[in-house]
Amino acid sequence: AQTVTQSQPEMSVQEAETVTLSCTYDTSESDYYLFWYKQPPSRQMILVIRQEAYKQQNATENRFSVNFQKAAKSFSLKISDSQLGDAAMYFCAYRSYSGAGSYQLTFGKGTKLSVIP
Amino acid sequence: EAGVAQSPRYKIIEKRQSVAFWCNPISGHATLYWYQQILGQGPKLLIQFQNNGVVDDSQLPKDRFSAERLKGVDSTLKIQPAKLEDSAVYLCASSLKGQGLNTEAFFGQGTRLTVV
Repeated sequence: AQTVTQSQPEMSVQEAETVTLSCTYDTSESDYYLFWYKQPPSRQMILVIRQEAYKQQNATENRFSVNFQKAAKSFSLKISDSQLGDAAMYFCAYRSYSGAGSYQLTFGKGTKLSVIP
Repeated sequence: EAGVAQSPRYKIIEKRQSVAFWCNPISGHATLYWYQQILGQGPKLLIQFQNNGVVDDSQLPKDRFSAERLKGVDSTLKIQPAKLEDSAVYLCASSLKGQGLNTEAFFGQGTRLTVV
């Protein structure tokens, strides 16, 4: 079974600065997807960024980028130019095949990010 | 495009009572998920449907939890009888079938259940 570990329960960053959230995972598969989701107090999980394991190039979405190290099974999220609206819980997730052509997500425990004005 | 709709947003019940949650996925999404998120933890998959068939319910406490997805669209999750440890946020998500682009899961706003 796949496991996802986020070792930082809480992080804080000064507004406009850069912060990196860590994630490691365990799998025996060679092809998979990894995701970072943001969960604000409204509780809705919002997709931040996605990485396909067979792509060596790190994914980037505006101020969000990842450092994907497949051999080390590491998938960290970097947020540049942090904004107050970035404050939320961030969850790392691994997508695995569950049968019948569909997939399911396994989540880490999350990192609570605070942004200091 | 309308998102995943869930109701109610909040529910407080006494232990041993029953409760039901409703989810309407994004139109055209064949896969529907129910997750349980206990405070301070990440979401845990309870059950996954593909159309109206169950793909995975290995982590569903079947002695008290049940779920159905009639006609392959809306879904309901029921707890009967509820226990104190069932207090959590129940998230519904949906996705297109497959692994290509745009098949990521989209989540509703969840139902916060408090069992007293």
